[in-house]
Amino acid sequence: NAGVMQNPRHLVRRRGQEARLRCSPMKGHSHVYWYRQLPEEGLKFMVYLQKENIIDESGMPKERFSAEFPKEGPSILRIQQVVRGDSAAYFCASSLDRGRNQPQHFGDGTRLSIL
Amino acid sequence: GQQLNQSPQSMFIQEGEDVSMNCTSSSIFNTWLWYKQDPGEGPVLLIALYKAGELTSNGRLTAQFGITRKDSFLNISASIPSDVGIYFCAGQLTSGATNKLIFGTGTLLAVQP
Repeated sequence: NAGVMQNPRHLVRRRGQEARLRCSPMKGHSHVYWYRQLPEEGLKFMVYLQKENIIDESGMPKERFSAEFPKEGPSILRIQQVVRGDSAAYFCASSLDRGRNQPQHFGDGTRLSIL
Repeated sequence: GQQLNQSPQSMFIQEGEDVSMNCTSSSIFNTWLWYKQDPGEGPVLLIALYKAGELTSNGRLTAQFGITRKDSFLNISASIPSDVGIYFCAGQLTSGATNKLIFGTGTLLAVQP
């Protein structure tokens, strides 16, 4: 998992607070993806971004969730007014390009716990 | 949404045994990938397959992309304790604007030394 950096590794929030998860892609990668993993399940796609643009947000809940990937700095996944059901591991991946022979490499995730 | 069915759900084997797991889909994928996830970490790419019928090896790991493009299998030969973990298959969708992975349900592998 060397290269894709996520922070924090663990985040605890109370219901109603905001959670901000950060992802720095591998060097040279301009395509970023966010996935969510519930306990004992596979990862589920949330959103795909390229520098300053959201390309596909079909997997992201319509309310309370937003993502950005600014020109400078990391990609941010923001969850407003968190609820217990938001507790999960959130993984970021990056790729060099969007072609089918450009694999996605994952970070070690942020484990979000809602009290 | 789309789902990949992965089997078996779990395997408990002795060190040195060979392992086989597979993944099936109701949809066609143009790329299949196999990842391994250790506890508390993110998935690590093991093998990527880009062509129907393709057979690719990575050390003791061998994976094949099914001819119908709706399935793939992963074999691990002569298992060792560090093979323990959860193995996920993933199909990649790159049509239109999207470029996302659809993950299988995972196979938990436990290796008894």
